[in-house]
Amino acid sequence: KNEVEQSPQNLTAQEGEFITINCSYSVGISALHWLQQHPGGGIVSLFMLSSGKKKHGRLIATINIQEKHSSLHITASHPRDSAVYICAVYKAEKLTFGTGTRLTIIP
Amino acid sequence: KAGVTQTPRYLIKTRGQQVTLSCSPISGHRSVSWYQQTPGQGLQFLFEYFSETQRNKGNFPGRFSGRQFSNSRSEMNVSTLELGDSALYLCASSLVLGTGELFFGEGSRLTVL
Repeated sequence: KNEVEQSPQNLTAQEGEFITINCSYSVGISALHWLQQHPGGGIVSLFMLSSGKKKHGRLIATINIQEKHSSLHITASHPRDSAVYICAVYKAEKLTFGTGTRLTIIP
Repeated sequence: KAGVTQTPRYLIKTRGQQVTLSCSPISGHRSVSWYQQTPGQGLQFLFEYFSETQRNKGNFPGRFSGRQFSNSRSEMNVSTLELGDSALYLCASSLVLGTGELFFGEGSRLTVL
């Protein structure tokens, strides 16, 4: 079992839908990162969480430390949100990544 | 403010050769970390440097090495290249070690023939 599990692996939705991507991890962590990767490889950091909830525009990230679970929500999804979303956990001076969720938003 | 700069962006090598990749972090950032991304294994942590010290290393053979200079620029080196080393190599910089926001470079895409 991977230390970091993401679901779903692939997600296709219509423009405007509410999107949820989940991340579960099996060890105690110092921080959790949500990353976005567009075709071509560039990675952008969306959030870094150690507790609670953060919001940036249409994106919301939550983390439950006790349940070792985090969610990334996208409200009013748009085709430009199409990308791979990656969860990564930081523990013992090392980042461990999930396998990513490929999101496709259809106009 | 300039972002994270990685050079070269693309390179092709043959088996047995060695390669050096460079990463210039955002000014003021002292933490630089390196990652390998392949279709089969996804993103994997290579190593992290902070103030010229390697803080941790991922599960990679000794052929993979790195260093950080006093100006926080970092290099990674892969010796005796193997076909399986073909990958996108990404670096990221951060103000603080581990729990700060990460800023990624565009990556260096290495092809080993």
